[in-house]
Amino acid sequence: EVQLVESGGGLVKPGGSLRLSCVGSGFTFSDYSMIWVRQAPGKGLEWVSSITSAGSYIYDAESVEGRFTISRDNTRDSLYLQMNSLRVEDTGVYYCARRTMVAAGADFWGQGTQVTVSS
Amino acid sequence: NFMLTQPHSVSESPGETVVISCTRSSGSIGSNYVQWYHQRPGSAPTTIIYEDNKRPSGVPDRFSGSIDTSSNSASLIISGLKTEDEADYYCQSYDNSNHYWVFGGGTKVTVL
Repeated sequence: EVQLVESGGGLVKPGGSLRLSCVGSGFTFSDYSMIWVRQAPGKGLEWVSSITSAGSYIYDAESVEGRFTISRDNTRDSLYLQMNSLRVEDTGVYYCARRTMVAAGADFWGQGTQVTVSS
Repeated sequence: NFMLTQPHSVSESPGETVVISCTRSSGSIGSNYVQWYHQRPGSAPTTIIYEDNKRPSGVPDRFSGSIDTSSNSASLIISGLKTEDEADYYCQSYDNSNHYWVFGGGTKVTVL
């Protein structure tokens, strides 16, 4: 069974940092591109960042470019999101998801981790 | 860059059929696959349609997806509506020009 488990969320002050983690199991993690998607309170889904299977290519949404860094460690079946210079508007639930093999779509999602940026 | 526009909400009675549209603002809807995600309040999204019209295992065949190039839109069709189908539904595609994932704003389905 494919599983994705996020961790690392919490309460942080504006300007602070957090590092989110996502551990995959039930599949060959190194074969798949992965993404982070977030959801602000009461709002829709917003793509944050993507990374290819070997980590060779990374793409970031304009809203987080220069502040967030996606990375992965295939030896640990893990995906990360380093979030720096956090803003109030970064508050929300952050989900990791596995990209399908063919289409640029997600087939499995984690349960999410809450990030709250507040003074 | 393009946007995907969905109706804010749709409602229908149990047993009926609802159709949720997802209109692409520029570029062809057929140029990249469309996915549909389902999300109940307080829960993570789940994938119900991928590659325009394919269902993951475990998703009932009451859910189907289609593409209409004449209207430049994708549709999610839910037939035989059940109360458990009440949720938010999001379409998603991909922008080749900048490698961005694009989500629609979401549609709240209410079963009357």
